[in-house]
Amino acid sequence: KAGVTQTPRYLIKTRGQQVTLSCSPISGHRSVSWYQQTPGQGLQFLFEYFSETQRNKGNFPGRFSGRQFSNSRSEMNVSTLELGDSALYLCASSLTGQSEAFFGQGTRLTVV
Amino acid sequence: DQQVKQNSPSLSVQEGRISILNCDYTNSMFDYFLWYKKYPAEGPTFLISISSIKDKNEDGRFTVFLNKSAKHLSLHIVPSQPGDSAVYFCAAKGSSNTGKLIFGQGTTLQVKP
Repeated sequence: KAGVTQTPRYLIKTRGQQVTLSCSPISGHRSVSWYQQTPGQGLQFLFEYFSETQRNKGNFPGRFSGRQFSNSRSEMNVSTLELGDSALYLCASSLTGQSEAFFGQGTRLTVV
Repeated sequence: DQQVKQNSPSLSVQEGRISILNCDYTNSMFDYFLWYKKYPAEGPTFLISISSIKDKNEDGRFTVFLNKSAKHLSLHIVPSQPGDSAVYFCAAKGSSNTGKLIFGQGTTLQVKP
């Protein structure tokens, strides 16, 4: 069974631009969550999608958004990028959200 | 407000000995706990989990202990191997129907040959 796939692996963007990251969950998993990892803040929850609906949201500004498609694939978007958005963005999938979550390799975003 | 805390930023043990990683939490509503292992620039790898109705769960070399009254959990690795060297995160999940995980800050484990 294929694991969680995130694309792209690396991305460099300029301040003010917007970016879209993609996540394909493990087959059969319906819950997809996104996390941001930075050296200072650790791993922080962004949001969770389940059956195409946002089920939970972390404490991030509205510039961070996401969506989930009918095949459970998910995208997250960050608009008006700031230098502080430079981070490793991780996607995790689980069957329903109540069991173990499995992570992808992450997308390393650098904002210059 | 740090709801999940890993107070030891680093731990160094000798190969073959036991590694004990600790985690404390403040929210009594947490009902499921997980441990992840992470290498730099990679996603966390799930290791082991425990439900709040249990006090111990074992999987091979990994054992997690939960002390609900103390709001404390620990991960034991026996015997430790050099390949275990990584950052270990504990994470907690609330009782609501959600996949949201709250992570500790991580402990870097170094296993010396």
